[in-house]
Amino acid sequence: RKEVEQDPGPFNVPEGATVAFNCTYSNSASQSFFWYRQDCRKEPKLLMSVYSSGNEDGRFTAQLNRASQYISLLIRDSKLSDSATYLCVVNWPLGGGFKTIFGAGTRLFVKA
Amino acid sequence: ETGVTQTPRHLVMGMTNKKSLKCEQHLGHNAMYWYKQSAKKPLELMFVYNFKEQTENNSVPSRFSPECPNSSHLFLHLHTLQPEDSALYLCASSHRGGGNIQYFGAGTRLSVL
Repeated sequence: RKEVEQDPGPFNVPEGATVAFNCTYSNSASQSFFWYRQDCRKEPKLLMSVYSSGNEDGRFTAQLNRASQYISLLIRDSKLSDSATYLCVVNWPLGGGFKTIFGAGTRLFVKA
Repeated sequence: ETGVTQTPRHLVMGMTNKKSLKCEQHLGHNAMYWYKQSAKKPLELMFVYNFKEQTENNSVPSRFSPECPNSSHLFLHLHTLQPEDSALYLCASSHRGGGNIQYFGAGTRLSVL
């Protein structure tokens, strides 16, 4: 089983649609979780952290399910500008620091 | 601007050349990373430095040689590369212990001829 696994997509959705991505992780000791966004030929950028209680930032909602070991990202009212690859990131403690694993990403295309 | 600067942004080199990639972070972080991202492939972690000490080397060929003179600067020295080494090379930094959020530079797009 991969340490962090995402559906590669692509997800093709119309503007205004709601789309959800899931990401599963294998290490139950994982402590912190993030979603990054990567535009074509650009660097990944932090989109939002994922908290145990769930958190929302505008049209974006992130949730964590520790029992089932997955995190999710919900995008409401999709915009053309949301088209990108969304990377799930998981950290777990290792040797006094953290080990960080990036998922392979889920591609989203939002069409007019 | 994320506070992580990479130079050069683009590099074309022959297989016999020697070149270096540079990364500088202005965020006061204590960990720095090199990643490779080939076309349409996920990020591959290459090296990790914590407080200037290398803590991870993910079976990277010796033709890639990292150097971390201090917590703010990271280099990747390249020599006798192969065409399959053509990729986007990304540098990142983080504050180890604070959830380890990594901030990336814009990357160096490398082409090996």
